[in-house]
Order: sequence, then structure tokens, then C-alpha cells
Amino acid sequence: GQQLNQSPQSMFIQEGEDVSMNCTSSSIFNTWLWYKQDPGEGPVLLIALYKAGELTSNGRLTAQFGITRKDSFLNISASIPSDVGIYFCAGPGGSNYKLTFGKGTLLTVNP
Amino acid sequence: SAVISQKPSRDICQRGTSLTIQCQVDSQVTMMFWYRQQPGQSLTLIATANQGSEATYESGFVIDKFPISRPNLTFSTLTVSNMSPEDSSIYLCSVETGGGEPQHFGDGTRLSIL
Repeated sequence: GQQLNQSPQSMFIQEGEDVSMNCTSSSIFNTWLWYKQDPGEGPVLLIALYKAGELTSNGRLTAQFGITRKDSFLNISASIPSDVGIYFCAGPGGSNYKLTFGKGTLLTVNP
Repeated sequence: SAVISQKPSRDICQRGTSLTIQCQVDSQVTMMFWYRQQPGQSLTLIATANQGSEATYESGFVIDKFPISRPNLTFSTLTVSNMSPEDSSIYLCSVETGGGEPQHFGDGTRLSIL
């Protein structure tokens, strides 16, 4: 089945720093999704990407759909303490609607 | 986006018992899904809840262990049967509203089995 490799597994940064994380897949994806999960809550959609090469921003977050359609990255600029959480990439795993998730990137921001 | 409510939000259960988790959406949705998130892990799809018919289970998940109902377009239940400590996880409901919108998730049910 589809596999997503997400890195890094965890990051410890200082407030104000920029962050970058990425995901690669073993096969072509038609959609890339980035979610954030805060403690005690479900994942919340941050950015959805639908087209190879697409670059989309949501506030301080920017994500890109790789040209090869096998990778995507998420950047967070000028991090703040509330950016703390687990970030997941996800994409359709073999069908139009079933999602495969990466293992997540745990982000810690030191004030 | 749709508002998704899951009940209970958490529970502590005894080994061998069963628990039914409810997922209620404030609007009709095309697709409803159930995921498991084991401690410190990512999300794994258990099954797709089909309205008016049997759920479609993913490899490694069976109906006897995780019976699912979806009587209408706004409600679904997941039962975790004959629980063991290995079933301690977060169970999450997600929905697709249609029109190409990505899945949105409820806040999950945190289940601990003693």
C-alpha cells in the first residue's frame, strides 16, 4: 500500500525561528493535505494541495506540492508558542477518499 | 466546515467489556470514517461507514471487533468489542462533505483499558 515518510520526527526550536518539514511517498499522489493536532484534540486541516507545483499559504504557513507528485513540504515562518503540536501530512491512499497519514512531526517551540 | 461531535470524549474501561462511540455531524455528509490513533502514533483508517449498509473495513480490522453503524447521513457509531489493553487508543471520526472537500475530524475519544 501507499507509504508516507515524514521528517523530521520532532523539532525543538526557539520562538521566532522558521520551521520546515516534509513528506515523501512511494507513489504519485493527486492531493496533499497538511493537518495539525493539538493535545486532546483531533487533527485540524491547515492546507490542501491539489496540483503539482502548487504553492499555497495560510497565514505564516506555506506548503508546496512537489513537481514529481511524490513529495510535499510545509514551512512555518516566525514560529510562536501556539504552533506547538503534531503536524501530519496525508494523502489519498489508493482511492479518492481513503487517507494515508505520515507519522507526524512533533514541534516544540521554546518561548 | 461541518461540526463533528464525538461522545464520550474519554473513558476508562475494564478488560473484556465493550464501548460504543458516537459521532454526530451538524449537517448531512457523504462519507464518514473511523480512525485509530495508538499512543504516540499516527492515524490508521479502521473503516468507512456506509449509510444503510455494512461498513468497509481496512486490512487488519474486522467487523466482529469493531462493529459500525451508520443509520443516516449525520450519525455513526463505532463499537470496540471485548476490549483489551492493546485497544487503548484515540478513536477518531472524520467526514467528507462532498464537492472535493478534504476530511475533517472530530476531537476523538480517548480510551484506556485496564
